[in-house]
Amino acid sequence: DTAVSQTPKYLVTQMGNDKSIKCEQNLGHDTMYWYKQDSKKFLKIMFSYNNKELIINETVPNRFSPKSPDKAHLNLHINSLELGDSAVYFCASSQELNLNTGELFFGEGSRLTVL
Amino acid sequence: AQSVTQLGSHVSVSEGALVLLRCNYSSSVPPYLFWYVQYPNQGLQLLLKYTSAATLVKGINGFEAEFKKSETSFHLTKPSAHMSDAAEYFCAVSDRGYNKLIFGAGTRLAVHP
Repeated sequence: DTAVSQTPKYLVTQMGNDKSIKCEQNLGHDTMYWYKQDSKKFLKIMFSYNNKELIINETVPNRFSPKSPDKAHLNLHINSLELGDSAVYFCASSQELNLNTGELFFGEGSRLTVL
Repeated sequence: AQSVTQLGSHVSVSEGALVLLRCNYSSSVPPYLFWYVQYPNQGLQLLLKYTSAATLVKGINGFEAEFKKSETSFHLTKPSAHMSDAAEYFCAVSDRGYNKLIFGAGTRLAVHP
């Protein structure tokens, strides 16, 4: 049973389109994250939510809108896709907001290709 | 500001040889440090973490890392590489508020027979 699951795993779309990526965790964790991994494997945090409340918004363009309907789900909607949005998007979760005792559990990633 | 630098984007070793992956950090508060591994087409998984207890930290799959404050380093080692160790390795430091991780650029480890 997958702890952090993301759908879809692969997404190919045209510039200007709108797309969503869904994430669910069954670990009972309070905190969820979106990370972006670029073509050079560099990982950068985008957002974090704790119990459905936005905690971190890391200067991400407004075209990216996260939504957390409950603490087990964190979805990412992207409007007006651009070529530079092509990347692998990772969802992650942690038991609590403070990471000094916990760890991040990552999903397998969603590879977005914008043509 | 918190940051990590991983020296060497690619490291290649022979099977059975010592693995040494280097990580230096910068932190304005006592750091919490992590090593994660990413196998091809998978998410990251935690190898080990330092959270101010013992300076020598043992992790999964025979890896360990030593926190050296004087050198601001947290290098990852394994005495004997296996083919299955081939992956991307990321060092990370927690931010000042300990509520997000800042990752290094990663080191790709190749293991050849």
